[in-house]
Amino acid sequence: GENVEQHPSTLSVQEGDSAVIKCTYSDSASNYFPWYKQELGKGPQLIIDIRSNVGEKKDQRIAVTLNKTAKHFSLHITETQPEDSAVYFCAASDYKLSFGAGTTVTVRA
Amino acid sequence: EAGVAQSPRYKIIEKRQSVAFWCNPISGHATLYWYQQILGQGPKLLIQFQNNGVVDDSQLPKDRFSAERLKGVDSTLKIQPAKLEDSAVYLCASSFRPSAGVGTDTQYFGPGTRLTVL
Repeated sequence: GENVEQHPSTLSVQEGDSAVIKCTYSDSASNYFPWYKQELGKGPQLIIDIRSNVGEKKDQRIAVTLNKTAKHFSLHITETQPEDSAVYFCAASDYKLSFGAGTTVTVRA
Repeated sequence: EAGVAQSPRYKIIEKRQSVAFWCNPISGHATLYWYQQILGQGPKLLIQFQNNGVVDDSQLPKDRFSAERLKGVDSTLKIQPAKLEDSAVYLCASSFRPSAGVGTDTQYFGPGTRLTVL
């Protein structure tokens, strides 16, 4: 089955700086790569996704890049704000989602 | 649009007891998923329904876990008997598309049920 690795496990950034989270996957058949944000006591919320026919996608301060040859994808958050503090999960899917272990992001004011 | 509803939000039981969780997906969503999220880990798929049929239950511990989705809408997940290692958050998610390739459809998650087994 699919195996997704996510790094780093924790990330602390100064407000206004950028944050980058990286993930690798094992199954070359995976073709859908969503990113979820999970706040304390809540379920994961989709923030952006990318499909295998696209190399990069951007939505305001959030961008995701995908390198299918290397089997890795990354989340970039620019101009971080305190409300960006949360746990972020990457996932990869061919027919079902496999999640990474998560990155706890803390934005220091 | 109302989101995925789950109840209860919290449950504390002793080992060997039974427990049931309920999920109401977003209206019109054909596919429903149950995930287990152990503290500090990402969600792990337990079972996936398409309408009222099971698509994937390969990671469901069938000796103690069961799930059903009657009439293709609400779903219940049951654990009997519970073990200490079942302590986790149980997340329900739903997605719209009923066709093949459903794993690539956007999944919307509920708030989860936090289970503590003592």
